[in-house]
Amino acid sequence: DQQVKQNSPSLSVQEGRISILNCDYTNSMFDYFLWYKKYPAEGPTFLISISSIKDKNEDGRFTVFLNKSAKHLSLHIVPSQPGDSAVYFCAAKASGTYKYIFGTGTRLKVLA
Amino acid sequence: EPEVTQTPSHQVTQMGQEVILRCVPISNHLYFYWYRQILGQKVEFLVSFYNNEISEKSEIFDDQFSVERPDGSNFTLKIRSTKLEDSAMYFCASSEGQGAGGYTFGSGTRLTVV
Repeated sequence: DQQVKQNSPSLSVQEGRISILNCDYTNSMFDYFLWYKKYPAEGPTFLISISSIKDKNEDGRFTVFLNKSAKHLSLHIVPSQPGDSAVYFCAAKASGTYKYIFGTGTRLKVLA
Repeated sequence: EPEVTQTPSHQVTQMGQEVILRCVPISNHLYFYWYRQILGQKVEFLVSFYNNEISEKSEIFDDQFSVERPDGSNFTLKIRSTKLEDSAMYFCASSEGQGAGGYTFGSGTRLTVV
């Protein structure tokens, strides 16, 4: 099931710089999208969401951009901090369902 | 901050045995979920539960799986006859609504079938 893809398995960024994590999807019925952060031995932690009626949502250092025509979303973290080092998952679902489809994750490392 | 609590954190079981994974969702949440993550693979949806019944399940959630909300606070996942391939992290989650707001996940139960 490759409906949600995160093509970069890892990303390294210097502290203070911008981290950009990308996610592509294939199902045009998806209209809710989430980003989660996961540390080892912990459950995913919700970061930010966006619905398809918007193209941007911002929460503090985190901004999610949605490009529906390209079926692409991205998470921007500015400025990046060492504590942001984790695996980031995007997830998507269609309205009328309960099921989120997760990407494979991108491991972000923020270097001090 | 409210949390979803899962017990145990790690369970080892013999193949063919029954296991029950337990979860206490956030108290004012109405929707409950189980997901799992096999080592090195994606987080996968198993089942959602609302209003005391299954609202959606995946093809993974076959007859050997069942869920229950036995009282007002616990939400359980039972695997009747475990197989080696059931070894995974199992995450419980809950949400207030069904929409774009995120779930709150528990920290997971690592199930090892030997």
